[in-house]
This record gives sequence, C-alpha cells and structure tokens, in this order.
Amino acid sequence: DAGITQSPRHKVTETGTPVTLRCHQTENHRYMYWYRQDPGHGLRLIHYSYGVKDTDKGEVSDGYSVSRSKTEDFLLTLESATSSQTSVYFCAISEWTSAFEQYFGPGTRLTVT
Amino acid sequence: AQSVTQLGSHVSVSEGALVLLRCNYSSSVPPYLFWYVQYPNQGLQLLLKYTTGATLVKGINGFEAEFKKSETSFHLTKPSAHMSDAAEYFCAVSTGSNYKLTFGKGTLLTVNP
Repeated sequence: DAGITQSPRHKVTETGTPVTLRCHQTENHRYMYWYRQDPGHGLRLIHYSYGVKDTDKGEVSDGYSVSRSKTEDFLLTLESATSSQTSVYFCAISEWTSAFEQYFGPGTRLTVT
Repeated sequence: AQSVTQLGSHVSVSEGALVLLRCNYSSSVPPYLFWYVQYPNQGLQLLLKYTTGATLVKGINGFEAEFKKSETSFHLTKPSAHMSDAAEYFCAVSTGSNYKLTFGKGTLLTVNP
C-alpha cells in the first residue's frame, strides 16, 4: 500500500471555525490532490499540487485553501467552516512514472454543526 | 476536455452471476482509463488501468475491462460475483499529459446471496 496518511480521521467542528486537514506521504510523489466525496456527486477535486509551493484550484475550491511547504505534506484549510462542507475528504498522490495513477489515503470524515 | 459517464448508479446481482459495470468516456486525445473500488469507510483502491497496448486489461480480484475506442467504452466485468465484491466502483479518465483524473459518479454494486 502507498504510504499515505490523513489526520485527523474524524472531526466535528462548529460553523465558523477554521479547520486544517493534513495529508502526509512517504512515497516522494510530486503530485498531490484533495477531493471531497458526497452522495450523488462522486469525487470532486478541491485543490491540487504539482510541486512544493505549486498549487492550483479544482472544481470546488471556494471556501478552501491549501499549502504545500514540503514534498510530503499537503494541508487543506477550511477558512470558516460551513455545514455545506460536511463531507468525507480524501487525499491522493500520483507520479508520471505510473501514468498518473492516483493512490488514495483513508479519508477524513468532517462534520460541521 | 474529458468526461466520464457511469451508466447505473446502483447494480444488483446474485452471487455467482456475471458482473457488468458500464463506463463511457469522452476525450479529445487517447485516454488513460482506470477503475477504482471503494469498500465501506475506506479510500479508493485501484482495480485496473489501461494506458496503451493490449485493450483487454486484467485487474485484481478477477475483474477485467476492455478498452473499445470505437464505442468510447471501458466496461468492467467479472464472470462470477462474490459477496466480497459488494462495494462502490468508480471509472476515471486521464490523458498522458494530464495529471488530473476525471471521475464518474460511481456505481454501487450489491451482491445478493
């Protein structure tokens, strides 16, 4: 299994509070991604990174920011959490040597009350 | 631009029956195609992928898929369903130069005893 961990695995927070989710990899892969998964919507890309300090927006980036200060860590921040951001968040990594096949972390279940 | 359509959000089969999960894609360049499986409360795991070469691709757990360019399809099959195959399945498309995957909305497979 690819070495990807996500923390925390579960979190309950209140509306309006900032939340940071962490993705950590031990594979030295260049590309990292944050998705959210909601019933009926499948996986939707929030943000992605193509190198240290190089990030870009995905299709559902409003209300989220990311940072990548080193290869192994990719942080997702909800600047002011809302109930619509209640979801399961997945991190993934890839590398061109494997045709950009993505390896997924175990997910973080976030509930915003 | 690329897109994926999975026909049928829910497929139900009997144990021992053929499994057929349908995926059609749209891509302006030769695609890379993937099938992922997600068991409850877990991340996504790669079942199989097509990049180039042989159009019939074999994956883990007895699954296979055939790339049909003329039909823009990449359907997933397994000759005989097992109870442990019950999960959600996602088809995804990319290109050789695009490190982002586009996912379908998923098909939930139920296996009845």
